[in-house]
Amino acid sequence: GAVVSQHPSRVICKSGTSVKIECRSLDFQATTMFWYRQFPKQSLMLMATSNEGSKATYEQGVEKDKFLINHASLTLSTLTVTSAHPEDSSFYICSASGGDSYEKLFFGSGTQLSVL
Amino acid sequence: QQQVKQSPQSLIVQKGGISIINCAYENTAFDYFPWYQQFPGKGPALLIAIRPDVSEKKEGRFTISFNKSAKQFSLHIMDSQPGDSATYFCAARMGGAAGNKLTFGGGTRVLVKP
Repeated sequence: GAVVSQHPSRVICKSGTSVKIECRSLDFQATTMFWYRQFPKQSLMLMATSNEGSKATYEQGVEKDKFLINHASLTLSTLTVTSAHPEDSSFYICSASGGDSYEKLFFGSGTQLSVL
Repeated sequence: QQQVKQSPQSLIVQKGGISIINCAYENTAFDYFPWYQQFPGKGPALLIAIRPDVSEKKEGRFTISFNKSAKQFSLHIMDSQPGDSATYFCAARMGGAAGNKLTFGGGTRVLVKP
């Protein structure tokens, strides 16, 4: 099956710093990528949808200036958490859509962000 | 507004038993219903999926039953094994202009006791 690589898997940062998370589709062209946030023992909440070469579409309540998404190529999308604060600590997961089966969304392995 | 409701929140089953997880949805525009398995600290992995024109789909020990009129679908895990202990999420996709967007259920933590 298709592989989506997400990096880093874990990051610890100080409050006020920015953190960038990368999501790469390794063997297919991802026309659409999705970014989710998951708190402990909770479900995945969609943050934003990004299409290659265009601005991301953010879900209601998600601050676009706080969570910057770039999808500059068909194999790479990045999520930057700007001026991170402890309440931003969460598990962030990307998924990519495309390839030989549009019905299948392939998920990255997630990034655990801890803001001190 | 929670568009996909999942139950139970947690489930304990003996090895060899059947795990049953139920989901209900509201939006009739959903056109694809996948189930995902997630282990701690990992991203979700696609387990099995069904389209609304099919009432049942079986893959190995996993079966989805789909009731379009009731807007409900369920996952059955037969002969449950300790390695099946994980969190399971149902989801519903709205394709077309929504661009393959998934809405997830709340998740079910399954523990299979040896």
